[in-house]
Amino acid sequence: DAGVTQSPTHLIKTRGQQVTLRCSPKSGHDTVSWYQQALGQGPQFIFQYYEEEERQRGNFPDRFSGHQYPNYSSELNVNALLLGDSALYLCASSSDRGLRNEQYFGPGTRLTVT
Amino acid sequence: AQTVTQSQPEMSVQEAETVTLSCTYDTSESDYYLFWYKQPPSRQMILVIRQEAYKQQNATENRFSVNFQKAAKSFSLKISDSQLGDAAMYFCAYRSAEEYGNKLVFGAGTILRVKS
Repeated sequence: DAGVTQSPTHLIKTRGQQVTLRCSPKSGHDTVSWYQQALGQGPQFIFQYYEEEERQRGNFPDRFSGHQYPNYSSELNVNALLLGDSALYLCASSSDRGLRNEQYFGPGTRLTVT
Repeated sequence: AQTVTQSQPEMSVQEAETVTLSCTYDTSESDYYLFWYKQPPSRQMILVIRQEAYKQQNATENRFSVNFQKAAKSFSLKISDSQLGDAAMYFCAYRSAEEYGNKLVFGAGTILRVKS
């Protein structure tokens, strides 16, 4: 049973560019959350997708957008990249049908903005 | 808004000894969950232990146990018989049981070093 997968593993972009990160949830999960983790800090919640809709959103600007597909996979898009967007981006999946509804995390995508 | 505070940036423990990591949180809610996650250098975040706020009994998972003090809004993690594989960044996290959705609010983390 594959866990949460993310692609790519590493990414280097230039300031002002746009980036798309991808996440495939754990089998049986229908909810995907995205977190930004700056170096040496705790993850910060970006948003959560359920039934192809954004259900919750953290304190991030509109440059951060997402999408969830019918197969529950998800994308995180960041436009007009800033140096401060350099971070580890974590995807987590969970099941709204599950009693415990716990989040399982992927290995992350390391984004470097130069 | 809920906040989670981990006041120990770094802790060290001798192999086979016991260590306690501290966490406090702030919320106006009465129903919530608390978690400890472990993030090794490989980056994959792993759930260590979970506590439901309505349960008075402290959660335990093998060598890991918590001390949950709801009135004090304190949630510490005790690791017994520490092993080299316990070395990692540990995050305390809060999840509301009253909001729609299950977003996590994390603390800043505590680096745990295990000495052989």
